Amino acid sequence: QKEVEQDPGPLSVPEGAIVSLNCTYSNSAFQYFMWYRQYSRKGPELLMYTYSSGNKEDGRFTAQVDKSSKYISLFIRDSQPSDSATYLCAIFDRGSTLGRLYFGRGTQLTVWP
Amino acid sequence: ETGVTQSPTHLIKTRGQQVTLRCSSQSGHNTVSWYQQALGQGPQFIFQYYREEENGRGNFPPRFSGLQFPNYSSELNVNALELDDSALYLCASSALAGGTDTQYFGPGTRLTVL
Repeated sequence: QKEVEQDPGPLSVPEGAIVSLNCTYSNSAFQYFMWYRQYSRKGPELLMYTYSSGNKEDGRFTAQVDKSSKYISLFIRDSQPSDSATYLCAIFDRGSTLGRLYFGRGTQLTVWP
Repeated sequence: ETGVTQSPTHLIKTRGQQVTLRCSSQSGHNTVSWYQQALGQGPQFIFQYYREEENGRGNFPPRFSGLQFPNYSSELNVNALELDDSALYLCASSALAGGTDTQYFGPGTRLTVL
């Protein structure tokens, strides 16, 4: 079983729509959850960082973690064409290293005008 | 943009050759992690370097090796290249001593093996 699973999409929405991106994870001990955004042919950039359960909001973006169901979500309000990118959920695992990331395979999002 | 830089941007090699990729970490960061991202997939952890020592390794064979230098920059070396090694190779730096574990990624090196 993979540490984190993510539906690759693709997802295509009109400008202004609310976007919901989701992942599931396998290990209930995980505590640190991230969302990265990756534009075509670029490296991932950190969007949101959540510790344990609950919600975190940053502008149009809301990250949500439900540890009881091992489910993590990213919501984008009032989506813009500039939000078109691949969104990667990631789990930070301290484990035996100083910390490594397990990534989902990414969801490709297109926001059309 | 992060302060993490990688070189070269693109590289084309043939099967069996060796390749070296380079990474300069963000100022103040002492830990470097390398990831491989195949087309249409999420990044996969290769290994991590801290204080010039390998500090954890993912499910990659020994022909993937690395170095970290006193200025915290790093190299990834891959020997006996295979077609499946074609991917985007990402370097991420983080500042353990600073108390944050956030990993900041460079733009990557796109390796094509023919």
